[in-house]
Amino acid sequence: DGGITQSPKYLFRKEGQNVTLSCEQNLNHDAMYWYRQDPGQGLRLIYYSQIVNDFQKGDIAEGYSVSREKKESFPLTVTSAQKNPTAFYLCASSASGYEQYFGPGTRLTVT
Amino acid sequence: GESVGLHLPTLSVQEGDNSIINCAYSNSASDYFIWYKQESGKGPQFIIDIRSNMDKRQGQRVTVLLNKTVKHLSLQIAATQPGDSAVYFCAENKAGTALIFGKGTTLSVSS
Repeated sequence: DGGITQSPKYLFRKEGQNVTLSCEQNLNHDAMYWYRQDPGQGLRLIYYSQIVNDFQKGDIAEGYSVSREKKESFPLTVTSAQKNPTAFYLCASSASGYEQYFGPGTRLTVT
Repeated sequence: GESVGLHLPTLSVQEGDNSIINCAYSNSASDYFIWYKQESGKGPQFIIDIRSNMDKRQGQRVTVLLNKTVKHLSLQIAATQPGDSAVYFCAENKAGTALIFGKGTTLSVSS
């Protein structure tokens, strides 16, 4: 069963704590992406990676970090430096850099 | 700055009607456009895409039209069904590396 998995679906954290969101794909895609979505808004790019051991900042990278040690995995860490971390986080992957396939998302709530 | 926007935030139609969702883009250098459907609490789902060397592309019950002269993209859904109710996003390719998303149009289908 191929696809993109994100876990957990819901995540709750206290302010000041770092939290890591998981994203795994078994589609053999080279490129992976992280987006943030706020209520009633579109998707904003946080980080993307076109190849293992390489990644680039997106439009709103401040307060986030990523790693790409394996082709299948692209975890996102939301650090305590992120001012408004509560949001819906979406991971995507792409074979070509054009069409992207999305995971089910993780809803992070920080109180 | 470069952005992709939608003309209307909401669209309400009757079951069986045809729906047209519009999108304007600003980057004349974009060469790839894509439409996604997002249901509440889920990740975006690919609907249809089109490259800049095409004016029209058809899928199952959906058609995407691209007018490069006025930088306009539209999604037509034939015989709209209640299951089509969702938020629809258009996105344009940013130099072949990442997509830029608009804010979305909420389609409501009443039976």
